[in-house]
Amino acid sequence: NAGVTQTPKFRILKIGQSMTLQCTQDMNHNYMYWYRQDPGMGLKLIYYSVGAGITDKGEVPNGYNVSRSTTEDFPLRLELAAPSQTSVYFCASRTTGQGLKGTQYFGPGTRLTVL
Amino acid sequence: AQKITQTQPGMFVQEKEAVTLDCTYDTSDPSYGLFWYKQPSSGEMIFLIYQGSYDQQNATEGRYSLNFQKARKSANLVISASQLGDSAMYFCAMREEAGNQFYFGTGTSLTVIP
Repeated sequence: NAGVTQTPKFRILKIGQSMTLQCTQDMNHNYMYWYRQDPGMGLKLIYYSVGAGITDKGEVPNGYNVSRSTTEDFPLRLELAAPSQTSVYFCASRTTGQGLKGTQYFGPGTRLTVL
Repeated sequence: AQKITQTQPGMFVQEKEAVTLDCTYDTSDPSYGLFWYKQPSSGEMIFLIYQGSYDQQNATEGRYSLNFQKARKSANLVISASQLGDSAMYFCAMREEAGNQFYFGTGTSLTVIP
C-alpha cells in the first residue's frame, strides 16, 4: 500500500495563476481531508469529504475548491493564487471502520509558494 | 473558543529524561477522541497515540503515554526516556463523535539535548 500520495511536492506559482493539488489514497477510506499549515502553526481544515460525491467546507475554504468523483482521489483546486495561500498543504484520509479511534493517515505534503 | 490549546510553544529535555507536553481541550460532546501526532523536520505527520473519552485507563504506546484528566479537560503527552530522534513538533488533536472534523492545536516544538 502506498497510503496517501500527494503531487507535486513543491510548486511556485505567480499571483493569479491556478493549479490543482492532487491527492490519492489506496486504503479505500471514505473520509478525506485537506489542510494547510502555515509556518509555526497547526493545521487548518480547508475542505473534507465523507465519500464520493460529498464534500463540505472546513475552517478556511475561501480561495479553494474540491471535488470527489472517486473514493481514491480528492483534488484541491486553487483558482486565483494569492500570496496568502503560501503554505504547506496536507491531504489525509480516514476509515470509518474504527469509530472515534480511527486516526487520519497523512500524505507527505505539498509546499506551495505564491509570488 | 479554541477547541485545542497547547500552551508550550517550545520545550527542552535532556536525553533519557521524561517530558510532558500539555494539551487542553474544549467540547460539550460527551463522546470524543484525542490524538497526538509528531511532525519531524522532514514534515510528515506521524500518529502517536489515541485516547477515547470513555476509556477508563490512560493510553500507552511504547515510550508514549497519555495523562488523561477528563474533569480538567486535559490530555497531556508523556514521553519517557527521551531520545534525540524525539526532537520534533507535537500536535494534539480532537474529534467529536457528532462531527467529522479534527481540531488541531498550534503545536509544541520539542528539542532533546544530548
